Amino acid sequence: DQQVKQNSPSLSVQEGRISILNCDYTNSMFDYFLWYKKYPAEGPTFLISISSIKDKNEDGRFTVFLNKSAKHLSLHIVPSQPGDSAVYFCAASVGNQFYFGTGTSLTVIP
Amino acid sequence: EAQVTQNPRYLITVTGKKLTVTCSQNMNHEYMSWYRQDPGLGLRQIYYSMNVEVTDKGDVPEGYKVSRKEKRNFPLILESPSPNQTSLYFCASSLIPLDTQETQYFGPGTRLLVL
Repeated sequence: DQQVKQNSPSLSVQEGRISILNCDYTNSMFDYFLWYKKYPAEGPTFLISISSIKDKNEDGRFTVFLNKSAKHLSLHIVPSQPGDSAVYFCAASVGNQFYFGTGTSLTVIP
Repeated sequence: EAQVTQNPRYLITVTGKKLTVTCSQNMNHEYMSWYRQDPGLGLRQIYYSMNVEVTDKGDVPEGYKVSRKEKRNFPLILESPSPNQTSLYFCASSLIPLDTQETQYFGPGTRLLVL
């Protein structure tokens, strides 16, 4: 059973606007959450993370929000750039194990 | 250059023929892990290792073996591959503790087709 879910397989956004990618999880024991970005024919690369004791973490254009009561995670990209076009995976960890979502393909239209 | 390498990158094999996918990292990371990526299922963790001679099952370990005899290498072994193991495989490594900004570095992937 999928413990981390990304319900939107794809998202299109105009350049300069905000991209919001969403992720839901079921396991309340998850203690760390991450976002990875993946280009075709490459491995995922780390983007940003957040501990379960926080509700927000920012890194430049990227901000991750965590709502533990709703078991919901979101990634905001502002402003979106064409180079941001990729597949984004959210992930969660408990102990030494990681669980990934199915990915959201983001297209930023110039 | 800090990297995780996997070999081979592409592999076509037949059911039952044992194969090994190698993974090597040059960052002196303690933690290494294998994932498989399948359409509609995302990445699923197969096995992970906290250090030399320490390995543990992930979410989908059935049909796979691993070993960690050296810190830099973490091969994935399919003793008797079956068509349902056709997938894209990623190796990753990380420093410990895992809840740091360093998190996991992924290899480029190995695409396996089992006929």
